[in-house]
Amino acid sequence: GAGVSQSPRYKVTKRGQDVALRCDPISGHVSLYWYRQALGQGPEFLTYFNYEAQQDKSGLPNDRFSAERPEGSISTLTIQRTEQRDSAMYRCASSVLESREGPPNEQYFGPGTRLTVT
Amino acid sequence: TQLLEQSPQFLSIQEGENLTVYCNSSSVFSSLQWYRQEPGEGPVLLVTVVTGGEVKKLKRLTFQFGDARKDSSLHITAAQTGDTGLYLCAGGTGAGSYQLTFGKGTKLSVIP
Repeated sequence: GAGVSQSPRYKVTKRGQDVALRCDPISGHVSLYWYRQALGQGPEFLTYFNYEAQQDKSGLPNDRFSAERPEGSISTLTIQRTEQRDSAMYRCASSVLESREGPPNEQYFGPGTRLTVT
Repeated sequence: TQLLEQSPQFLSIQEGENLTVYCNSSSVFSSLQWYRQEPGEGPVLLVTVVTGGEVKKLKRLTFQFGDARKDSSLHITAAQTGDTGLYLCAGGTGAGSYQLTFGKGTKLSVIP
């Protein structure tokens, strides 16, 4: 069975360009999460979805960042007018259950997209 | 802002030795999770603890959640070279602990 996949694995872009990062969760997983991981740091929460609904986007750094999951499966994280400080590893995770009150869900992480803004 | 401090940041030990890594916060979390991350890979969940004072054992790994649910420790007995990796703790908040706050990690090297 395939795990979480992300594409591209590496992206180099010039400052000011827009980028779209794709996450393909494990089949059947209803919740999807986006994180950003700087070098030498742990992942930092950005946003998450239950099915197609974006539940919390409080971790998005500013309005240049947006995410969507229109059909409740694949998700795209878009960064507009990229800046050098956006350079990081962007990780996606999914969990089989909907995030709701109760026991914590296990999040399965993808390999990440390494974004470099020059 | 909730922060998780992990210590030590780096640890190099001989195979067969025991070690403990720590994860501390001033905030209360609904759950505490430990992950292991290999180079080029995403973090992989090792264990989740949810009850203050809870202790879980996974073979040679023992995880403890502090009584006040603010801190945790990971103890490895008789370390093996295969234990080498980055160990991350993450505090969970929100419904189903959807929002994970990660520490910076402890980079463990086990030398044969």
